[in-house]
Amino acid sequence: DSGVTQTPKHLITATGQRVTLRCSPRSGDLSVYWYQQSLDQGLQFLIQYYNGEERAKGNILERFSAQQFPDLHSELNLSSLELGDSALYFCASSHPGTSGGITDTQYFGPGTRLTVL
Amino acid sequence: GNSVTQMEGPVTLSEEAFLTINCTYTATGYPSLFWYVQYPGEGLQLLLKATKADDKGSNKGFEATYRKETTSFHLEKGSVQVSDSAVYFCALFYSGAGSYQLTFGKGTKLSVIP
Repeated sequence: DSGVTQTPKHLITATGQRVTLRCSPRSGDLSVYWYQQSLDQGLQFLIQYYNGEERAKGNILERFSAQQFPDLHSELNLSSLELGDSALYFCASSHPGTSGGITDTQYFGPGTRLTVL
Repeated sequence: GNSVTQMEGPVTLSEEAFLTINCTYTATGYPSLFWYVQYPGEGLQLLLKATKADDKGSNKGFEATYRKETTSFHLEKGSVQVSDSAVYFCALFYSGAGSYQLTFGKGTKLSVIP
């Protein structure tokens, strides 16, 4: 158990709908990362937040957005869903470094499996 | 940009066989290197890491050495068990120009048969 929690575990929805995935980082971790794992694209970084602020963006579609709340949990919002959005979505967190910077080791949650029908 | 290339699977080995999964990387600067493992139906677990050249990461009998001259981080285990069956991902972390992401290889599926 990494200490990162994600809900829900499974989500089944229809095309055109909107869903929200939730992540709670490990205690003390300030950074949250979102990744998408699909068969054709592999593991792709989507976005990172650090202490409530967006820090880095990867291959995140404009239909997707995220935020990190004051209690450090994060939500990933996926809208106008398409069949191709079906994937495993992972959240990871990392501890701040001794100087408050971002450390390299990320701990992953169990993932949310999204199925778009 | 940064990238990771790892050997395509699947890899099937008999129990107690020697395992090597090749991983090479392309990156500017000096990234940290990782191996993650994903057991069936689960998330990614950190297996081992190395943060600078010639560092050796090790855990649960697995080892990998950061080779800067060959830009490689091959994963090895001397004697695999059925319980090692999983997908293994090589990854690099490079913090520069505001980017703090892990870049993953495509994963190598390992099946160990009794």
